[in-house]
Amino acid sequence: SYVLTQPPSVSVAPGQTARITCGGNNIGSKSVHWYQQKPGQAPVLVVYDDSDRPSGIPERFSGSNSGNTATLTISRVEAGDEADYYCQVWDSSSDLPVVFGGGTKLTVL
Amino acid sequence: QVQLQESGPGLVKPSETLSLTCAVSGYSISSGYYWGWIRQPPGKGLEWIGSIYHSGSTYYNPSLKSRVTISVDTSKNQFSLKLSSVTAADTAVYYCARQMVATILGGYYFDYWGQGTLVTVSS
Repeated sequence: SYVLTQPPSVSVAPGQTARITCGGNNIGSKSVHWYQQKPGQAPVLVVYDDSDRPSGIPERFSGSNSGNTATLTISRVEAGDEADYYCQVWDSSSDLPVVFGGGTKLTVL
Repeated sequence: QVQLQESGPGLVKPSETLSLTCAVSGYSISSGYYWGWIRQPPGKGLEWIGSIYHSGSTYYNPSLKSRVTISVDTSKNQFSLKLSSVTAADTAVYYCARQMVATILGGYYFDYWGQGTLVTVSS
């Protein structure tokens, strides 16, 4: 089955830019979606289709996807952005079509 | 606004069957979309369990397929999960979610999620 690899943790100071990567074989050929999960809460979709934002998600959240790496970029990071972030793809060639990355803990210093 | 709410026992004994229901409001399941179940063991990541279409068509995570049944009741606008022969490894927060079609390269993502319900497997 398809594997998505995320760094376990990323740290960034307030006001700086955080970049969270999601690696996968030729991931650029798939649509990548990102979820934010704060402690004790359900995941929230923050980016879909590589770079689109759902209504209500700040423009500070953006995404890109090329080659073997997709990236979630959070600009002007705020304390409230501290959370776990998960990437997800659909692998139509597999019997396990819904694949999540292992998650990245974003710490705001 | 689409809302999903999971319900069911919070404690299940080993070897028994876990049963959860997801009630949907703000959208009619009969109108379309797939609807999915995802779980998260304490302190761990997300694991997709399976999904169902409003017509009843299903697909499951191969690692759970032998134990999972997902069904839909359009008259009650809800769908359900049954997981049989549970063990402590099935202890997790269980989420239900709406599965949306990805427009660019196909596939699906989850745009609306329930709040989740913790199910503990213990005697």
